Amino acid sequence: DAEITQSPRHKITETGRQVTLACHQTWNHNNMFWYRQDLGHGLRLIHYSYGVQDTNKGEVSDGYSVSRSNTEDLPLTLESAASSQTSVYFCASSEGGLGSGELFFGEGSRLTVL
Amino acid sequence: AQKITQTQPGMFVQEKEAVTLDCTYDTSDPSYGLFWYKQPSSGEMIFLIYQGSYDQQNATEGRYSLNFQKARKSANLVISASQLGDSAMYFCAMREGPRYSSASKIIFGSGTRLSIRP
Repeated sequence: DAEITQSPRHKITETGRQVTLACHQTWNHNNMFWYRQDLGHGLRLIHYSYGVQDTNKGEVSDGYSVSRSNTEDLPLTLESAASSQTSVYFCASSEGGLGSGELFFGEGSRLTVL
Repeated sequence: AQKITQTQPGMFVQEKEAVTLDCTYDTSDPSYGLFWYKQPSSGEMIFLIYQGSYDQQNATEGRYSLNFQKARKSANLVISASQLGDSAMYFCAMREGPRYSSASKIIFGSGTRLSIRP
């Protein structure tokens, strides 16, 4: 079965360190997204990609970057982790083109920045 | 800019009663889609229901229905005959752009935590 997987599922890091969260999907979807979930804010869009070599900033992109070198992967990098980036991060994909465009989510990655 | 508002941070409902979760949206695009997702305490995001802006009838999926009031820009989720397993966080979301567009992003509201009392 097709799926979307995130790793690591849990990570503790220190302020100032670079962190990369991996996202891999086997749906063959063109669209991929990164969200962060914080209490009271719901899910906020960080970055998204509509295809290989395409990346776009979302509403809370400062301090984050992504790259899309193939269809399956969209890694999220925190260049210099800050305590404000402690959150649960969700990767998602959608097929666009066909269907409702609903998002298929990974299981989430809980990041703690000390 | 598109925006999604959920004004109920939390709700308590008696088991077997119907419940309505409110969602209002704002967009200038005539073509858009509205979604509801459920997030139980285990954390995964579960797609519940979808409504397209040009759909003539309200969407239904089992015990879930979406009360789509286009002029009011509201897309409330109705859960009939609530069950204990319905206790979860519920998110309303919106996609701007045509349904078959290959490039569309989805934004979310802040969510409503629903608790079902036995």
